[in-house]
Amino acid sequence: DQQVKQNSPSLSVQEGRISILNCDYTNSMFDYFLWYKKYPAEGPTFLISISSIKDKNEDGRFTVFLNKSAKHLSLHIVPSQPGDSAVYFCAASQGGSEKLVFGKGTKLTVNP
Amino acid sequence: DAGITQSPRHKVTETGTPVTLRCHQTENHRYMYWYRQDPGHGLRLIHYSYGVKDTDKGEVSDGYSVSRSKTEDFLLTLESATSSQTSVYFCAISESGRGSGYTFGSGTRLTVV
Repeated sequence: DQQVKQNSPSLSVQEGRISILNCDYTNSMFDYFLWYKKYPAEGPTFLISISSIKDKNEDGRFTVFLNKSAKHLSLHIVPSQPGDSAVYFCAASQGGSEKLVFGKGTKLTVNP
Repeated sequence: DAGITQSPRHKVTETGTPVTLRCHQTENHRYMYWYRQDPGHGLRLIHYSYGVKDTDKGEVSDGYSVSRSKTEDFLLTLESATSSQTSVYFCAISESGRGSGYTFGSGTRLTVV
């Protein structure tokens, strides 16, 4: 039973437009959420995180929104750039645990 | 880059043979993890460690064992490799406490033939 779900395996957007990547979770005990980006032949790298006490966190072009009632979070990238083309993983943890549960990932392609 | 290296980067092995993958860190982080990445499954936790000689199982631990005799090294052993263990294996490290996130190694691509 997958606790963190990324239902869109892929997303394609035009350079300069907004990219919105979605993530749903089923475990209501999750209280910390992260996004990782992964390029081919490299390990994932941390992008941005959000605690459940917040509903938004922003870092430059990247913003993560959390809707606890819907158990949904989203990553917005504005404006999208070709270098953003990668696989994006959503991850969650609960109760101070250092263990992260990852989604299956969404492959983002930003077209010039 | 954080000091985390995985070896080997690529390996082909035969079914039934034991295989050991190594993760080495120079960051003195307490926590170390082994994940595998497979198409359609994302990243799944195999085993993790919260200190020297302290390890625990993840969600896909069957057929794998780990050891951590020093802070800097975390070894993953496939006791008798099977084709279903063909995957890309990632090691990660993290500091204690929330908010740190993980730092991942570059991965080991293992093929079992």
